[in-house]
Amino acid sequence: SQTIHQWPATLVQPVGSPLSLECTVEGTSNPNLYWYRQAAGRGLQLLFYSVGIGQISSEVPQNLSASRPQDRQFILSSKKLLLSDSGFYLCAWDQSGSSYNEQFFGPGTRLTVL
Amino acid sequence: KNQVEQSPQSLIILEGKNCTLQCNYTVSPFSNLRWYKQDTGRGPVSLTIMTFSENTKSNGRYTATLDADTKQSSLHITASQLSDSASYICVVSAGAGSYQLTFGKGTKLSVIP
Repeated sequence: SQTIHQWPATLVQPVGSPLSLECTVEGTSNPNLYWYRQAAGRGLQLLFYSVGIGQISSEVPQNLSASRPQDRQFILSSKKLLLSDSGFYLCAWDQSGSSYNEQFFGPGTRLTVL
Repeated sequence: KNQVEQSPQSLIILEGKNCTLQCNYTVSPFSNLRWYKQDTGRGPVSLTIMTFSENTKSNGRYTATLDADTKQSSLHITASQLSDSASYICVVSAGAGSYQLTFGKGTKLSVIP
């Protein structure tokens, strides 16, 4: 069966510090991978998605970047965090070519920027 | 602009009671509609996925309906349990890719004893 991992689970960082969140998927190959941010009282916002190694698409201009160094690894980074980067970050995957593209989410990372 | 509106924003019900959550969307083109359950501090978990041709879909005590003509969906929860306390998110897909998903803000359901 497939599983998706995210770490860390929680993170408190000062403004201006760097960020690295990691997501890995097990039990599947060549998944589509996604990074979302969920702010309080708002719907999930798609930040990045990737259909393959080294292929990253950005949905919104921001202070963040993403990388996919391996087939089942997706990393969200920032060189200098802003207060507005606080939120709940979710990684998700689905299988390319499936009729529904049912999406499976990781447990999330709660980021607080102080 | 594609939008998904959910109502009510929050809901409190007694354990054992039924409830219905609403979702209205203006997403075009339409591929499918999904309902997710999200426990506090956790990632969303899929409950149902419905395409244009499906009117009703059940998953245990959860039953989703879809009216593609009026662009409305509902999620009915039967005989609620304390574990049903969560946010329920309606998501509409505009195409085959998950990057074409539009998320509602969710309905926060609290089931009390």
